[in-house]
Amino acid sequence: ETGVTQSPTHLIKTRGQQVTLRCSSQSGHNTVSWYQQALGQGPQFIFQYYREEENGRGNFPPRFSGLQFPNYSSELNVNALELDDSALYLCASSVGLAGAMNNEQFFGPGTRLTVL
Amino acid sequence: QQQVKQSPQSLIVQKGGIPIINCAYENTAFDYFPWYQQFPGKGPALLIAIRPDVSEKKEGRFTISFNKSAKQFSLHIMDSQPGDSATYFCAASSTDNDMRFGAGTRLTVKP
Repeated sequence: ETGVTQSPTHLIKTRGQQVTLRCSSQSGHNTVSWYQQALGQGPQFIFQYYREEENGRGNFPPRFSGLQFPNYSSELNVNALELDDSALYLCASSVGLAGAMNNEQFFGPGTRLTVL
Repeated sequence: QQQVKQSPQSLIVQKGGIPIINCAYENTAFDYFPWYQQFPGKGPALLIAIRPDVSEKKEGRFTISFNKSAKQFSLHIMDSQPGDSATYFCAASSTDNDMRFGAGTRLTVKP
């Protein structure tokens, strides 16, 4: 059984560019959540996808968007990159909605995005 | 967006000591309170979790104490080891609310 994987590991972009980050969920998991973790801070919830539909969104602007595919892998897209978007982006998968008890989230190692 | 306050920011203890990390939350709708452990270069990993109808939960050397009336919960690590050196995050959520994390506590256990 493979865990949650993310690609790429590191990424450097310039302000105004667009970026796509990818996540493969753990086998058997149908829910993917994305988080932004700034340096020295806790993860902040971006959004969650359950069975290919967005199910819950944090306080992030519309230039943060996502997709979930039939195999439950997911993409996070960020348009018009800003310097403050520099962070570690974490993907987590679970069986069922992540906010509920007994639906443990398994995190990937993250993608480190640097915006210059 | 943060609704969970965590303290201290950093903590240094000797091997065998009992570090205690505290968290406070605001939203009374939260009904799931996990703790995560994160090592450098890795994603957070679930350590232990508690529901608000329980005042204490113990798993191995890790114990959560929960005070519903005060809206506070804490993590105790018994007989701490150098391998426990990591960043610890508390979190809170419910089925209708996304998971909110504390800012993290960097724990160093000295040999």
